[in-house]
Amino acid sequence: GESVGLHLPTLSVQEGDNSIINCAYSNSASDYFIWYKQESGKGPQFIIDIRSNMDKRQGQRVTVLLNKTVKHLSLQIAATQPGDSAVYFCAGHGQNFVFGPGTRLSVLP
Amino acid sequence: GAGVSQTPSNKVTEKGKYVELRCDPISGHTALYWYRQSLGQGPEFLIYFQGTGAADDSGLPNDRFFAVRPEGSVSTLKIQRTERGDSAVYLCASSLSREEKLFFGSGTQLSVL
Repeated sequence: GESVGLHLPTLSVQEGDNSIINCAYSNSASDYFIWYKQESGKGPQFIIDIRSNMDKRQGQRVTVLLNKTVKHLSLQIAATQPGDSAVYFCAGHGQNFVFGPGTRLSVLP
Repeated sequence: GAGVSQTPSNKVTEKGKYVELRCDPISGHTALYWYRQSLGQGPEFLIYFQGTGAADDSGLPNDRFFAVRPEGSVSTLKIQRTERGDSAVYLCASSLSREEKLFFGSGTQLSVL
């Protein structure tokens, strides 16, 4: 079946460094991908999205890269801040949005 | 309000009881989704509505789970004969259409004792 997964369950970075969170997906028919941020006790919050006709998209301090050849996408956060500490999910849209298990990002002072 | 609203935020019930969880989507969003999230896991798809109809209910785990959206806006997720394994956060999300980004509510934490 369709699955979305992340390479690392946890990631610790120093404040000010760049963070890279990776995600792999299995469904080659997935045509739309979203990164979400979830803080404790809250619902997932949209960060950035990318459609399959693109390989890179930039937002404010965030960049998403999509490699359809190897079915991989990544989220890059520039100058990571304490407020970036959260769990990050990638979601791929095939028939419905399928979420990966998440990566917990911890920002060290 | 401007966002997706879910009530109650917490629900504690006893095994075997019936519960209803409510979702009020963003005004104008025709697509509505229910997800279930267990501790340490990503959201798991349950059901998708397009307007009033359940377009895809393939994620509902069994026939104890049912959802409605009678007027194409507010949706209710209904769980009969609750079991301890139903304990989780139930998330609702809405979007302008099926292939647009989802906006999530804060969820209902369901605890079955």
